[in-house]
Amino acid sequence: QQQVKQSPQSLIVQKGGISIINCAYENTAFDYFPWYQQFPGKGPALLIAIRPDVSEKKEGRFTISFNKSAKQFSLHIMDSQPGDSATYFCAASIWGAQKLVFGQGTRLTINP
Amino acid sequence: DAGITQSPRHKVTETGTPVTLRCHQTENHRYMYWYRQDPGHGLRLIHYSYGVKDTDKGEVSDGYSVSRSKTEDFLLTLESATSSQTSVYFCAIGLAGGRGSYEQYFGPGTRLTVT
Repeated sequence: QQQVKQSPQSLIVQKGGISIINCAYENTAFDYFPWYQQFPGKGPALLIAIRPDVSEKKEGRFTISFNKSAKQFSLHIMDSQPGDSATYFCAASIWGAQKLVFGQGTRLTINP
Repeated sequence: DAGITQSPRHKVTETGTPVTLRCHQTENHRYMYWYRQDPGHGLRLIHYSYGVKDTDKGEVSDGYSVSRSKTEDFLLTLESATSSQTSVYFCAIGLAGGRGSYEQYFGPGTRLTVT
């Protein structure tokens, strides 16, 4: 059972544009939502995370938007750069469970 | 990289042979995980460990076993490798932070090909 659904599977954006990746979850017990970034040949690395008590979190060009009633959250990359080209995973966890459930991943390509 | 190493980094093996992948960490973290990554499926949890000799199954555990005899080492074994187990395998350690945060740090991965 896929508890976190991520879309799109792949995304191509022009340099300077906005990249948007969406995730939806089913389990209302989830209370922590991280995003991971993975470059080719490397393991995923934590990028940014949000808790459901806020609707938005921004770190530099990266922003998470969270909609608790819709059970959706999204990653926005402003002024996208070729160096942002990577695979992005959303994830969700329940406090104390010590496990993450990952989305299927989005391969992002930023064209120069 | 949170002091996580995986060995081997690449392996090609034949169907039916046993294979063991090793994950080693240097910081005495309690929680360790094995994932497999396949296109269209993201990262799927195989097994995890919450201490020495304490392990549990993940969502795709069939055909895999694990062992953790020391805090720093977590071994993943394919008892009889099949072509469906061709994948990239990642080890991770888990850290609970403040305000309900929970983070995992991943190793560099092992690319396994079963022919």
